[in-house]
Amino acid sequence: KNEVEQSPQNLTAQEGEFITINCSYSVGISALHWLQQHPGGGIVSLFMLSSGKKKHGRLIATINIQEKHSSLHITASHPRDSAVYICAVGSVQISSGSARQLTFGSGTQLTVLP
Amino acid sequence: DAMVIQNPRYQVTQFGKPVTLSCSQTLNHNVMYWYQQKSSQAPKLLFHYYDKDFNNEADTPDNFQSRRPNTSFCFLDIRSPGLGDAAMYLCATSRASPGLAAPSTYNEQFFGPGTRLTVL
Repeated sequence: KNEVEQSPQNLTAQEGEFITINCSYSVGISALHWLQQHPGGGIVSLFMLSSGKKKHGRLIATINIQEKHSSLHITASHPRDSAVYICAVGSVQISSGSARQLTFGSGTQLTVLP
Repeated sequence: DAMVIQNPRYQVTQFGKPVTLSCSQTLNHNVMYWYQQKSSQAPKLLFHYYDKDFNNEADTPDNFQSRRPNTSFCFLDIRSPGLGDAAMYLCATSRASPGLAAPSTYNEQFFGPGTRLTVL
């Protein structure tokens, strides 16, 4: 079982729809990251959060530490939002207490149709 | 604007011919990472520099080396590229909190645009 699971793997929406992408993880984490990658492009960091909720423009990210679950929401979706959205967690090694590097989910391919 | 720059964006090399990929940053971050991302897969960390300290991931092949001559620049050297090394190579930076023995992933990573490597 992967340490970071994302759903759905693929999502097609009509312009203007409200979109939710989910991420579940199975390890203790120091922080959770939501990243965006356009086709053939680099990665842009959207959010880094360890509790609660963050909002930036039409993007909202929430995290529930007890349930080990995070969601990324896009309101009023637009074709330019089409990209792969990646959830990544920074986990904590219980034995040493030191932080590990990022563990990535497999990504969610979002396509927003005009 | 402060940023992470990767050159070139596209690199073509021949099987077995050494190649170097470049990353530079204007963020003055003390940690720099190199990731390999193959098609439809998640990025895989190859190694990172914490200041001048090099940290190799256990499963990174010896074929991959890195240099960090100063804070701003970091290079990825592939000594003898194979067909399986064709991928997107991503550079990222972060600022580790002072006093930590290892970079905390609590700190946000900033990614460059990537270099897509083709091996003929």
